[in-house]
Amino acid sequence: NAGVIQTPRHKVTGKGQEATLWCEPISGHSAVFWYRQTIVQGLEFLTYFRNQAPIDDSGMPKERFSAQMPNQSHSTLKIQSTQPQDSAVYLCASSLNERLFFGHGTKLSVL
Amino acid sequence: QQQVRQSPQSLTVWEGETAILNCSYEDSTFNYFPWYQQFPGEGPALLISISSVSDKKEDGRFTIFFNKREKKLSLHITDSQPGDSATYFCAAIYQGGRALIFGTGTTVSVSP
Repeated sequence: NAGVIQTPRHKVTGKGQEATLWCEPISGHSAVFWYRQTIVQGLEFLTYFRNQAPIDDSGMPKERFSAQMPNQSHSTLKIQSTQPQDSAVYLCASSLNERLFFGHGTKLSVL
Repeated sequence: QQQVRQSPQSLTVWEGETAILNCSYEDSTFNYFPWYQQFPGEGPALLISISSVSDKKEDGRFTIFFNKREKKLSLHITDSQPGDSATYFCAAIYQGGRALIFGTGTTVSVSP
């Protein structure tokens, strides 16, 4: 079991460019979560899928951010027109119950 | 408003000492409190957890003390080891809740 796999590990974009982050959850886990981690804000919840269906996106910025889960083996987080304040580590986690298993994260740097 | 608060922000202890990490919360409907441990470059990993029906949970050198009335909990790391140097996050969720809410973390450094 390779755990939750996130790609890429690092991504550098220019201001205004699009960034797509990928997550492969642990096989058999029914829930997928996205969190954003920064020094100042800590771990912020973004969005959550269960059995591929979007359940709660209350943490997603209303503009420019979107997440999808087209099949049970991967989820994507897309950020359009990236801004410097989007720089953070984006963490994906999967779970069967309350226990979350996190990936290593994608460090996004917007120049 | 931060729903889950942690203190101190950082903590340094000597090897063998007990590190005490504090956590408090606002929402009295929270009923499950996990602590996650994170090493640099990795994602957080579940360390130990407690439900609101208990006042203490122990797992090896790690113990959670929970005070429901005061809405506070603490994580005690006894006989601290250099390998315990990491950031520790307190989290909370209520029954039927959809996502864990994390505190801002406490970074622990254990000096040999």
